Amino acid sequence: DIQMTQSPSSLSASVGDRVTITCRASQSISTFLNWYQQKPGKAPKLLIYGASSLQSGVPTRFSGSGSGTDFTLTISGLQPEDFATYFCQQSYITPPFTFGPGTKVDIK
Amino acid sequence: EVLLAQSGAEVKKPGDSLRISCQVSGYNFGNYWISWVRQMPGKGLEWVGRIDPADSYTNYSPPFRAHVTITDDKSINTVYLQWSSLKASDSAMYYCARHQWRSPFDSWGPGTLVTVSS
Repeated sequence: DIQMTQSPSSLSASVGDRVTITCRASQSISTFLNWYQQKPGKAPKLLIYGASSLQSGVPTRFSGSGSGTDFTLTISGLQPEDFATYFCQQSYITPPFTFGPGTKVDIK
Repeated sequence: EVLLAQSGAEVKKPGDSLRISCQVSGYNFGNYWISWVRQMPGKGLEWVGRIDPADSYTNYSPPFRAHVTITDDKSINTVYLQWSSLKASDSAMYYCARHQWRSPFDSWGPGTLVTVSS
């Protein structure tokens, strides 16, 4: 099975900051990498699919990049509503549909 | 509008059986797989298994394979996750989500909280 790791596991940032989260797959997954945002008590929400495609309705301050094994999610200009936990997920070799352990973004 | 509606919170005792549901609307039921995802308190997302409503074919994550069953009822566009004998360690939030092959989970249900306690 493909294993997914994320770094950092948590970070503190201020409104307006540029934030970068990294996700790594244990083997190549091409660009079959998805990013989700989860707020407390809520279901996850799809932000980015195919490593870099923005889901409809998601603000353009969110962007994704990468291919193969290394991927990044960038938030350019952190907003108060962006404080949440972010998960990556591979959808290349399935099952299982593996998620990363998550990165919690909180207020500095 | 795509909607995935999940059944309400459950409180059960160890050894009880349970079936929770995910009823979908706003799209052709047979065109998307439905996966179940577990989230234990304060933890990450774990894929439990999935069903293809077109033919009811299922896959399970190995840790869950012997313990849960996923079924569907095409007459009411509903997918179920069931346990025949719950354990305390099954206490978690369970989400259903729709997706296709090699595609992201683009719509999620609000979750069903399962609490198993003696």
